[in-house]
Amino acid sequence: AQSVTQLGSHVSVSEGALVLLRCNYSSSVPPYLFWYVQYPNQGLQLLLKYTTGATLVKGINGFEAEFKKSETSFHLTKPSAHMSDAAEYFCAVSRSGSARQLTFGSGTQLTVLP
Amino acid sequence: GAGVSQSPSNKVTEKGKDVELRCDPISGHTALYWYRQRLGQGLEFLIYFQGNSAPDKSGLPSDRFSAERTGESVSTLTIQRTQQEDSAVYLCASSPGGQSGYTFGSGTRLTVV
Repeated sequence: AQSVTQLGSHVSVSEGALVLLRCNYSSSVPPYLFWYVQYPNQGLQLLLKYTTGATLVKGINGFEAEFKKSETSFHLTKPSAHMSDAAEYFCAVSRSGSARQLTFGSGTQLTVLP
Repeated sequence: GAGVSQSPSNKVTEKGKDVELRCDPISGHTALYWYRQRLGQGLEFLIYFQGNSAPDKSGLPSDRFSAERTGESVSTLTIQRTQQEDSAVYLCASSPGGQSGYTFGSGTRLTVV
């Protein structure tokens, strides 16, 4: 079984401030981890993914995430928020070695204040 | 096409009517997924197709829900005798397989009145 917990359904940051969106997972096998972003009235867009190898993963739009096995976490960060980052962000986990469905977290709505 | 295409983008239907939602995956993507996103909630897995294998239907919430896919092409999700709780955005995603990540369509917003 696998599950994903995103702490904080809503996060607000000022423009230029650090963005930190939290994601913890549980998985009975080594996980594959993903972050997706959903802009209003659009589908989900892949930000970044961790499969194997380097635990610090860089994605699009200046986002990055670090896989920490000891903490079962995959938090998403960006050093400096931009107004265009306002969106909903979803963390997801999939079991490695198995092309099965992703399990998504409930999402975090990011608001960027001017 | 370049992306996953879903139609219609919006659908309003009366309670008790049947609806059919369509998904055109990216050409060559062997895996296709349907998810449901209710207002203010995360994505809920519905069904998964992989090539010509039997689909994984473990996420379908009731027997009113069914989906078909012919080979590696278009998929349709059918909801019979719609209920108000079926109101949601239905998202389709396709993948080349493995752990490549999925490409999502922009969804169909279904409203049952």
